[in-house]
Amino acid sequence: ETGVTQTPRHLVMGMTNKKSLKCEQHLGHNAMYWYKQSAKKPLELMFVYSLEERVENNSVPSRFSPECPNSSHLFLHLHTLQPEDSALYLCASSLTDRVNYGYTFGSGTRLTVV
Amino acid sequence: GNSVTQMEGPVTLSEEAFLTINCTYTATGYPSLFWYVQYPGEGLQLLLKATKADDKGSNKGFEATYRKETTSFHLEKGSVQVSDSAVYFCALSDRTGGTSYGKLTFGQGTILTVHP
Repeated sequence: ETGVTQTPRHLVMGMTNKKSLKCEQHLGHNAMYWYKQSAKKPLELMFVYSLEERVENNSVPSRFSPECPNSSHLFLHLHTLQPEDSALYLCASSLTDRVNYGYTFGSGTRLTVV
Repeated sequence: GNSVTQMEGPVTLSEEAFLTINCTYTATGYPSLFWYVQYPGEGLQLLLKATKADDKGSNKGFEATYRKETTSFHLEKGSVQVSDSAVYFCALSDRTGGTSYGKLTFGQGTILTVHP
């Protein structure tokens, strides 16, 4: 248990489905992140929320829609995905005024699009 | 911008061998440096860190020293075990670019496999 909990751990969805990934932390962190990790590719930062405001959106397709209702929860809403979106989706959190502490990661959601 | 370069993998070693994974970085400010480890099927875990020049981070027998003159943060372990098989990521964090958070820049990761 790392302090950042992601659910579900595994998800299989069809291209026409709508699903959501959930991330929760009770570490008192105030920044949260979504990363995509595909086989044989570097980690890709998708979205950043700092103090509940989206501050970074790295050219992510609109079929991925993040939501941060409060500093403890982060969602990634998925719709009309493509097979190439199959990957491990990682959530992380940090303290904005503690650059030296790094990030705490969840265990990830393994997504398979069929 | 900031960048992190790790040695190409995969790295394959026998148990009790000496491990070095090279990491160099480019940064405009004074970054903090990290090594993260990812075991199969898991997320990334912080392995060790160093926050200023000449600091040495250490954990679980792994060590890395922040070398500002060579912009490096190489990971070492004197005697690896099968349980060390994982992917290792070097990363740096700073606040350049005016971000309100510490932006973490990762290397591409190095796969380590240790055989009995």
